[in-house]
Amino acid sequence: DIQMTQSPSSLSASVGDRVTITCRASQSIDRFLIWYQQKPGRAPKLLIHAATSLQSGVPSRFSGSGSGTDFTLTISSLQPEDFATYYCQQTYSIPHTFGQGTKVEIK
Amino acid sequence: EVQLVESGGGLVKPGGSLRLSCAASGSTFSVDWMNWVRQAPGKGLEWVGRIKSTGGGGTTDYAAPVKGRFTISRDDSIETLYLQMNSLKIEDTAVYYCAKVRDPYTFGLDYWGQGALVTVSS
Repeated sequence: DIQMTQSPSSLSASVGDRVTITCRASQSIDRFLIWYQQKPGRAPKLLIHAATSLQSGVPSRFSGSGSGTDFTLTISSLQPEDFATYYCQQTYSIPHTFGQGTKVEIK
Repeated sequence: EVQLVESGGGLVKPGGSLRLSCAASGSTFSVDWMNWVRQAPGKGLEWVGRIKSTGGGGTTDYAAPVKGRFTISRDDSIETLYLQMNSLKIEDTAVYYCAKVRDPYTFGLDYWGQGALVTVSS
């Protein structure tokens, strides 16, 4: 199975900050990388697919980059509604494993 | 608007069985690939398995912890996805989400149900 490792596990940031979350795959996954946002008590929400493609309706302050084994999710200017937990998922091979999550908290 | 509504969660004893249902609306369910994802209390997301569209073969894939115990199936005539869970273990306690695959190339999950809580306890 492909292991997905996110860093950091948590971070504190202020409104307006630029935030970067990293996801590393244990082997190359090309660009088969998905990013989700999850708020407490809610189902996850798709943000980015194919490593860099913004899902319809997602604000443009979210962006994804990377290919192969190293990927990043960037929030260019953190908004109050962005405080949540973010997960990456590889869809290169079965099982479609998730990273352990990165919790973005208010500073 | 696509909607997915899960039902069938509850409390079950170790070794018992439970079947979750996921009723879909607002999409052409018969062509949708569907997934189940679970989340143990206070933990991260765990991929459980998927079923391809009937036209895509309708085949299933499972994560190792549930393979041989869980079965994913679908009834396109009533636009419903199922997760049959047998030989349940305490570590299967989680909120179970059904989710629709955005496209069978990138496999992102674009619509999710509200989740069904399954508690395995004696």
